[in-house]
Amino acid sequence: DTAVSQTPKYLVTQMGNDKSIKCEQNLGHDTMYWYKQDSKKFLKIMFSYNNKELIINETVPNRFSPKSPDKAHLNLHINSLELGDSAVYFCASSPEVRFTDTQYFGPGTRLTVL
Amino acid sequence: GQNIDQPTEMTATEGAIVQINCTYQTSGFNGLFWYQQHAGEAPTFLSYNVLDGLEEKGRFSSFLSRSKGYSYLLLKELQMKDSASYLCAVYPSGSARQLTFGSGTQLTVLP
Repeated sequence: DTAVSQTPKYLVTQMGNDKSIKCEQNLGHDTMYWYKQDSKKFLKIMFSYNNKELIINETVPNRFSPKSPDKAHLNLHINSLELGDSAVYFCASSPEVRFTDTQYFGPGTRLTVL
Repeated sequence: GQNIDQPTEMTATEGAIVQINCTYQTSGFNGLFWYQQHAGEAPTFLSYNVLDGLEEKGRFSSFLSRSKGYSYLLLKELQMKDSASYLCAVYPSGSARQLTFGSGTQLTVLP
């Protein structure tokens, strides 16, 4: 069974559209994250939720809105997509928010905005 | 700001040993992770260091010197499947647990 899963794996869409990426973890973890990996391979934190509550909200456009219906799910909705949003988006989870906690990553969603 | 530096690319031969360096300048330090990422796949955890010294795990070892802001990942008995990107990541100080990643070192293992 996949520990952290994301759908879809690939997403190709036009500028201006609205899209969502879903993430689920079956590890029983309390904390979930969204990362963006750009073409230069930098992995940058976007959001983090602990027990459904937002704890990290980096400087991302407010077109990006995370939603956590329960602690096993963290979805990412993006409004009015722009060319610069093209990247690979990774979901991750960790047991809690301790510095020693390993983060487990999903397979990624490759978003291409045309 | 936080700054983490790694070489962009390295090449080594199957069966050899390779050392991937990482230097960091962050506002405080709460631990350093190494992740492996194969092309088109998710990063996977390799090691964690928070105290100075060497952590060994099979063919992989990771070293940390907090006073120098320096870590390395040592891969022994290289195999073709070790060709991947190796990401160094640091937890700076602060109440938010924001893991800061370097841009990764792309290792190519040649036969």
